[in-house]
Amino acid sequence: DQQVKQNSPSLSVQEGRISILNCDYTNSMFDYFLWYKKYPAEGPTFLISISSIKDKNEDGRFTVFLNKSAKHLSLHIVPSQPGDSAVYFCAAGSNFGNEKLTFGTGTRLTIIP
Amino acid sequence: NAGVMQNPRHLVRRRGQEARLRCSPMKGHSHVYWYRQLPEEGLKFMVYLQKENIIDESGMPKERFSAEFPKEGPSILRIQQVVRGDSAAYFCASNRDYLNTGELFFGEGSRLTVL
Repeated sequence: DQQVKQNSPSLSVQEGRISILNCDYTNSMFDYFLWYKKYPAEGPTFLISISSIKDKNEDGRFTVFLNKSAKHLSLHIVPSQPGDSAVYFCAAGSNFGNEKLTFGTGTRLTIIP
Repeated sequence: NAGVMQNPRHLVRRRGQEARLRCSPMKGHSHVYWYRQLPEEGLKFMVYLQKENIIDESGMPKERFSAEFPKEGPSILRIQQVVRGDSAAYFCASNRDYLNTGELFFGEGSRLTVL
């Protein structure tokens, strides 16, 4: 059962435009959500997170939006830069129970110069 | 300011051999997680350990796989009698303690190829 879903395997965006990556989840027990960025042959690196008590968190060019009623979150990158080309993973965790993160399958973002 | 260190970065084994993957968490971190990424798939949780304790191994295959995090030394993920389907990237992650933000710090991964 895929509790965290990223339905778009890939996304291409023109440099300077906005990139929007989407993520859906099914487990209402998730308390926090994170986005990780991964380059080939490297480990994932943390990008931004959001607690379930918030609906928006912003850090520079990156903004994460959370819609709890729809069980949906999105990552906005604006303006998109060539260095943003990577695979982006959505992840979710719960404060109750153990502390593991459940990851989506990833979206490969390509920024076109 | 070393991050999570994994070795070897690449490992080639023939079917039936054993694979041992090592992970040293970030300094001050006492929680270790192992994830596996199969080709073209996401990261799948395998096991969560604290020093000398397995906290959650719900993602570990029931046979051939084991993990430990001894009092001294790195965490080790051991795969016995490897098969081709074990070929994957194995990522280790760590954090300091219970953090409600859930951020994990990942190593660069160990890529296992089974011939």
